[in-house]
Amino acid sequence: NAGVTQTPKFQVLKTGQSMTLQCAQDMNHNSMYWYRQDPGMGLRLIYYSASEGTTDKGEVPNGYNVSRLNKREFSLRLESAAPSQTSVYFCASRGTGTGYTFGSGTRLTVV
Amino acid sequence: QQQVKQSPQSLIVQKGGISIINCAYENTAFDYFPWYQQFPGKGPALLIAIRPDVSEKKEGRFTISFNKSAKQFSLHIMDSQPGDSATYFCAARWNAGNMLTFGGGTRLMVKP
Repeated sequence: NAGVTQTPKFQVLKTGQSMTLQCAQDMNHNSMYWYRQDPGMGLRLIYYSASEGTTDKGEVPNGYNVSRLNKREFSLRLESAAPSQTSVYFCASRGTGTGYTFGSGTRLTVV
Repeated sequence: QQQVKQSPQSLIVQKGGISIINCAYENTAFDYFPWYQQFPGKGPALLIAIRPDVSEKKEGRFTISFNKSAKQFSLHIMDSQPGDSATYFCAARWNAGNMLTFGGGTRLMVKP
C-alpha cells in the first residue's frame, strides 16, 4: 500500500549510542517531517524538509540531525542518545494541497 | 512558541452519547485546523479539518465547530461508538503549511 514507511518499529539504545531512523514515502510528496510523541504533549516537530535539498529546524531539534537523501527518503539521526530522547517518533509527508500522511512510528527506548 | 491547548485529556462516554473535545489557540496566523485520530500502535490519521472562514463542518457523525473571535474550535462525535475509542489530536497549521502544531491529545473511551 502507498504511504509512509518507517524502520525500525522498535529500538532499544544505551545512553551515548547512535542510530538512524529511516523514513520513505512513495506518494511523490515534496515535504517531509519528523515528529516525536510524548504522553500529554501531543506531537512536536523535530525537523522538516519542505523540498528535496532543504531542511529546517522545528520546535525541538536539539540532539538530532536529519538528511533528505532524495525526494522519497528523510532520515533522522541521534548522534549520542540520551534517556530524554525516549519517545515514539513519527515521520510524515505532505504533497501540494494535501494533508499530512503519517507513518506507523518508531518506539525508541534509551536506557 | 506556537501553542494549541486541548481539553479534556481523557473522556469516557457511553455508546450512543456525544463526545466533545475542545481546543484553543492564540496565533491568528493559523490557516487550517485539522483533527487527527490515532489508534494504539498506529500513526495519526486525518479525520476532519476546517478553515477559519467557516464556522462549522460536518462529515458523517463528526462535526467541527469553529469560533474565530474566541480562537476556539471543537470536535463533536455524535452517536459515539466503541470503535471510536482512540486518541484525538487537534492541530493548527501555519508557515505556508510547513508547521503543524498539535494539542496534547484526548484519550476517548466509548463504553458499550
